[in-house]
Amino acid sequence: QVQLQESGPGLVRPSETLSLTCSVSGGSISNYYWSWIRQPPGKGLEWIGYIYRSGSTNYNPSLKSRATISVDTSSNQLSLRLTSVTAADTAIYYCARSKLLFSPDNPFDIWGQGTMVTVSS
Amino acid sequence: EIVMTQSPATLSVSPGERATLSCRASQIVSDTLAWYQQKPGQAPRLLIFGASTRATGIPARFSGSGSGTEFTLTISSLQSEDSAVYYCQHYSNWPYTFGQGTKLEIK
Repeated sequence: QVQLQESGPGLVRPSETLSLTCSVSGGSISNYYWSWIRQPPGKGLEWIGYIYRSGSTNYNPSLKSRATISVDTSSNQLSLRLTSVTAADTAIYYCARSKLLFSPDNPFDIWGQGTMVTVSS
Repeated sequence: EIVMTQSPATLSVSPGERATLSCRASQIVSDTLAWYQQKPGQAPRLLIFGASTRATGIPARFSGSGSGTEFTLTISSLQSEDSAVYYCQHYSNWPYTFGQGTKLEIK
């Protein structure tokens, strides 16, 4: 079955750029929408944005254009870049799949295990 | 942005009893409403989508209802493994938003 695995640095300095990768195994990245979602320690979930294989994206306005999601269909991976990070960006970052083919407006049926990113000097 | 509000924040219920969790949307979302279960140290797991359809492998004791702006997750005959935080989420349009969660404790 499809599995997702996030990876990236666990520590990022304030004002720098957070970069994460999500590897998709057991199925193709094509034909589905893929999202990044984050969860600050002890808090709730926040949708960051999504991407389709074509490169079409949408982002949460709350991130004020700091987020960029990209996709590499040849390696079955998606990536997240978040610029100008502060302590408020400290969170577990998840990648997740939208349940149905070809449409972003769907629940998230498959999640990665998440990767913790701490922003600190 | 649609704001999702869950109640109560914490719920304590005895094994074998029923738990009722509520979720309200600030705008009409039709039936584009999902429920997730999250246990400590784990990613959220999809329980219910389309407001009332159980996801694959979810036990029948989990049920969802509602439409428009008011939604309910009911867990009948609670078991110890149901202790978790439960989130509702709308997917009517982006940005998709989640409720703040209800922590369900088993007495």
